[in-house]
Amino acid sequence: DAGITQSPRHKVTETGTPVTLRCHQTENHRYMYWYRQDPGHGLRLIHYSYGVKDTDKGEVSDGYSVSRSKTEDFLLTLESATSSQTSVYFCAISSDGSYEQYFGPGTRLTVT
Amino acid sequence: AQKVTQAQTEISVVEKEDVTLDCVYETRDTTYYLFWYKQPPSGELVFLIRRNSFDEQNEISGRYSWNFQKSTSSFNFTITASQVVDSAVYFCALSEERDSSYKLIFGSGTRLLVRP
Repeated sequence: DAGITQSPRHKVTETGTPVTLRCHQTENHRYMYWYRQDPGHGLRLIHYSYGVKDTDKGEVSDGYSVSRSKTEDFLLTLESATSSQTSVYFCAISSDGSYEQYFGPGTRLTVT
Repeated sequence: AQKVTQAQTEISVVEKEDVTLDCVYETRDTTYYLFWYKQPPSGELVFLIRRNSFDEQNEISGRYSWNFQKSTSSFNFTITASQVVDSAVYFCALSEERDSSYKLIFGSGTRLLVRP
């Protein structure tokens, strides 16, 4: 299994509070991704990174920001959480020349 | 626009039945990749297979087989002699290459329930 961890695994927070989710990999892969999973939508890409300090927006990036200061860590921040951001968040990684992505265990976030 | 459609929201079968999960895709790329992932009740996403657009050979892995047909833009997944452990949500995905980055576009998933 790819070495990917996500923290926290579960979080409950209140509307309007900032939240940061962390993805950590031990594979030294170049690409990292954040997805959210919602019923009826499959997985949708929020942001991705193609190297340290290189990030770009995905399909559903509004309300989210990311940072990658080290190869192994990719942070997802909700500046001011809203109830519509209640979801399961998955991090994924892939290496150069490899098209498949390997996923972390997920973080279940509830915004009340 | 790139799109993946999994029209079957939920399928229920009895153990030992064969079952086929459908996947239809749309893409403007001439080179692309298709994938299947499994999400068991425990919630993790497990990579099953990748297929290149220039290789239309069908693939078999144990009880799993995949039928890729470019003419109908389909990449269907068949489980032979299904087992209770096959119960999961299955996602089909399509790769999108933009600016040297590779992103996946997922279908909405098919929930498979295998009853004993």
